[in-house]
Amino acid sequence: EAGVTQFPSHSVIEKGQTVTLRCDPISGHDNLYWYRRVMGKEIKFLLHFVKESKQDESGMPNNRFLAERTGGTYSTLKVQPAELEDSGVYFCASSLNTNSPLHFGNGTRLTVT
Amino acid sequence: GIQVEQSPPDLILQEGANSTLRCNFSDSVNNLQWFHQNPWGQLINLFYIPSGTKQNGRLSATTVATERYSLLYISSSQTTDSGVYFCAGFNTDKLIFGTGTRLQVFP
Repeated sequence: EAGVTQFPSHSVIEKGQTVTLRCDPISGHDNLYWYRRVMGKEIKFLLHFVKESKQDESGMPNNRFLAERTGGTYSTLKVQPAELEDSGVYFCASSLNTNSPLHFGNGTRLTVT
Repeated sequence: GIQVEQSPPDLILQEGANSTLRCNFSDSVNNLQWFHQNPWGQLINLFYIPSGTKQNGRLSATTVATERYSLLYISSSQTTDSGVYFCAGFNTDKLIFGTGTRLQVFP
């Protein structure tokens, strides 16, 4: 089966611009998560979808970040406007249910200059 | 929320050496996973191990849920083992990551 895929793999944008990251979970996985690792620090939880519903968005840093999962399939994470501190690697993961292991994508490395 | 601490934070080995990485949890977790973030930034799933012991080649992991810790063993380390190792525990509805152990293996 295909794994979790993320696009793009790299993105370099200027401060103030907008970037949209995409995640395609493993087919049939209702749970979809976004995480990020900034400045080589810990991997932090951003939010969790169950199908198209946001189950937990307590990790979203501020209102410049918007995540959607229309139709309960792929998800997008938009950063608008981007700031320097948003630079890092953004990971997406999916799981079959909450008792199953999470499968991570290869991440999107975002650089804001 | 739970706190996940990993030790040691940094580890330098010569090829062929063995090592043990530790993960401690401040509270009970439902599930536990070990990951390897390779130098290219990819997060590779190593083990899904809520309890007990599992082995995969040169790697093995043991989780003692009642004592809130997990261990990752790397035997006969190779340069390709370099990177950051993360453990993560599932608490309520999300996976909480540890602080990571940065491993460097030199030839």
